[in-house]
Amino acid sequence: EDQVTQSPEALRLQEGESSSLNCSYTVSGLRGLFWYRQDPGKGPEFLFTLYSAGEEKEKERLKATLTKKESFLHITAPKPEDSATYLCAVPKGSARQLTFGSGTQLTVLP
Amino acid sequence: NAGVTQTPKFQVLKTGQSMTLQCAQDMNHEYMSWYRQDPGMGLRLIHYSVGAGITDQGEVPNGYNVSRSTTEDFPLRLLSAAPSQTSVYFCASRPRGGSGANVLTFGAGSRLTVL
Repeated sequence: EDQVTQSPEALRLQEGESSSLNCSYTVSGLRGLFWYRQDPGKGPEFLFTLYSAGEEKEKERLKATLTKKESFLHITAPKPEDSATYLCAVPKGSARQLTFGSGTQLTVLP
Repeated sequence: NAGVTQTPKFQVLKTGQSMTLQCAQDMNHEYMSWYRQDPGMGLRLIHYSVGAGITDQGEVPNGYNVSRSTTEDFPLRLLSAAPSQTSVYFCASRPRGGSGANVLTFGAGSRLTVL
């Protein structure tokens, strides 16, 4: 069965303390891996799509990477405004509906 | 502003009551879907639609009905609410193809409490 697992569940960082979030997946025939950011009380917002092992995407302090079994979201020198829940997802089925992991709640302390 | 609009934002129901969560998008997206989000369980797909007149079940469809009579609207109906349906519900849409395919745009969510 296709599964998406994120770790850690929660992460607290000091401002400027770099770290990484993990998303591991078991999907036959990966057709992309998606990262979303979700702020409290809001819907998820799209960050990145990765399609092949070795691919990297960057946006400000965030960089997403992909291997054949997992993806990492690297956060460099985070700021308090980076605090959010980060979700990864993979498409499955004929309609490519997204299956989400349970997310990593990131808190960046000033 | 273009996007996905959900109503209501908050709703409290008693067990056994019925209600409809509304979802509308103005981006001419073919694909629309409903997710529920519960603590520790992430987003789980309830129902989805690939176009007007076409709907299908997701991971957790029991207790919910949907219909898609227009491209813009995708309402979610709770037929007889149960406490287990207490959750935050998100509607999302995306185009069928092109560079935006698979990139879901989410609404702000509807928080439902069933007593």
